[in-house]
Amino acid sequence: EAGVAQSPRYKIIEKRQSVAFWCNPISGHATLYWYQQILGQGPKLLIQFQNNGVVDDSQLPKDRFSAERLKGVDSTLKIQPAKLEDSAVYLCASSLVGGPTEAFFGQGTRLTVV
Amino acid sequence: DQQVKQNSPSLSVQEGRISILNCDYTNSMFDYFLWYKKYPAEGPTFLISISSIKDKNEDGRFTVFLNKSAKHLSLHIVPSQPGDSAVYFCAAADAGNNRKLIWGLGTSLAVNP
Repeated sequence: EAGVAQSPRYKIIEKRQSVAFWCNPISGHATLYWYQQILGQGPKLLIQFQNNGVVDDSQLPKDRFSAERLKGVDSTLKIQPAKLEDSAVYLCASSLVGGPTEAFFGQGTRLTVV
Repeated sequence: DQQVKQNSPSLSVQEGRISILNCDYTNSMFDYFLWYKKYPAEGPTFLISISSIKDKNEDGRFTVFLNKSAKHLSLHIVPSQPGDSAVYFCAAADAGNNRKLIWGLGTSLAVNP
């Protein structure tokens, strides 16, 4: 069974530029999550989708971050414009049902904003 | 305010001995607890979980204990192996908040041969 796929693995951009991350969840998983993990901290949930609907985006900085999940499968997370403090690993995860118990994570995208 | 606390940033044990990783929480609405393991440059992988209606769950070398009155859980690894060296995250699911996972800061475990 293929795991959660994310791309790119690494990205370096200058502040005020825009960037987009892509995630392909495990086939059949209805729930998809985007997490931000800053160095030395635990993952923080940015947004949770159930199929293509948003369940929770309370911690998504909506003035600069956006996410979509078209057709309830792949998802993209965008940052525009990026700030230095956005430097982090962005993790995508998916699970069979609602509730992030036993979610499966991708390898993440390491973003460096300079 | 850190609702899930892993007070030990790092832990070092000898191969074959027991590793005990601790986690404390403050929110009594948490009803499900999970441990994830993370190797460098990889995403976290699910290790073991426990529901709040239980006080122990065992899976091979890994056992999680839950003490609800103390709001404390621990992960025991016996015997520890060098391949267990990783960062371990404790996470708790909030029954009243879409079961959102709240994560601790992690404990880096080093198992020495």
